[in-house]
Amino acid sequence: DGGITQSPKYLFRKEGQNVTLSCEQNLNHDAMYWYRQDPGQGLRLIYYSQIVNDFQKGDIAEGYSVSREKKESFPLTVTSAQKNPTAFYLCASSMGRDGGYEQFFGPGTRLTVL
Amino acid sequence: AQKITQTQPGMFVQEKEAVTLDCTYDTSDQSYGLFWYKQPSSGEMIFLIYQGSYDEQNATEGRYSLNFQKARKSANLVISASQLGDSAMYFCAMRAPNAGGTSYGKLTFGQGTILTVHP
Repeated sequence: DGGITQSPKYLFRKEGQNVTLSCEQNLNHDAMYWYRQDPGQGLRLIYYSQIVNDFQKGDIAEGYSVSREKKESFPLTVTSAQKNPTAFYLCASSMGRDGGYEQFFGPGTRLTVL
Repeated sequence: AQKITQTQPGMFVQEKEAVTLDCTYDTSDQSYGLFWYKQPSSGEMIFLIYQGSYDEQNATEGRYSLNFQKARKSANLVISASQLGDSAMYFCAMRAPNAGGTSYGKLTFGQGTILTVHP
């Protein structure tokens, strides 16, 4: 089945540690995105990538880093510089470099900093 | 800058009744797209319906329809014949062009509306 997978579903991290969230898609989509969602809030864009080996900062990129070495993969690293990393993280993809029609979302990763 | 406003933090509806979820947007772009997503308690975002700014007719997808009033900058979601499974958070979102004039697909989301369907 085509879709987007994110792992792990739940992630716990100690303060001061970097952690990497996985996002893989087999939809052959060019564009991929990372969003952050805080409780009771909408989604905010962290980073996005329209093509392999290229990515741009979204609205809240500070304390995060990404890479796009393969079309199907767009991992997100939450660094120790991110002051309040506890949140729900959603990865998405869409068809064309211009974003296509709709974004398809993965099931999300819930990150908790202890 | 784009902005989406959903003024209803929570809505209640009786099963089998229709319900309207409000969404207003603000943009200076002529070309944009409006989306509605459903987020059940599991957290996954489910695409419901899309309306392009140049579409002359309101979008419909099964029990979902989008009441698009361009002059008022509103894009309300109408759910007909509500079902218990419709209970979820609903988000309105907008996609607008980037500085180069082409759309890169960035979505701006509203705060969401929690819909509860009563039996």
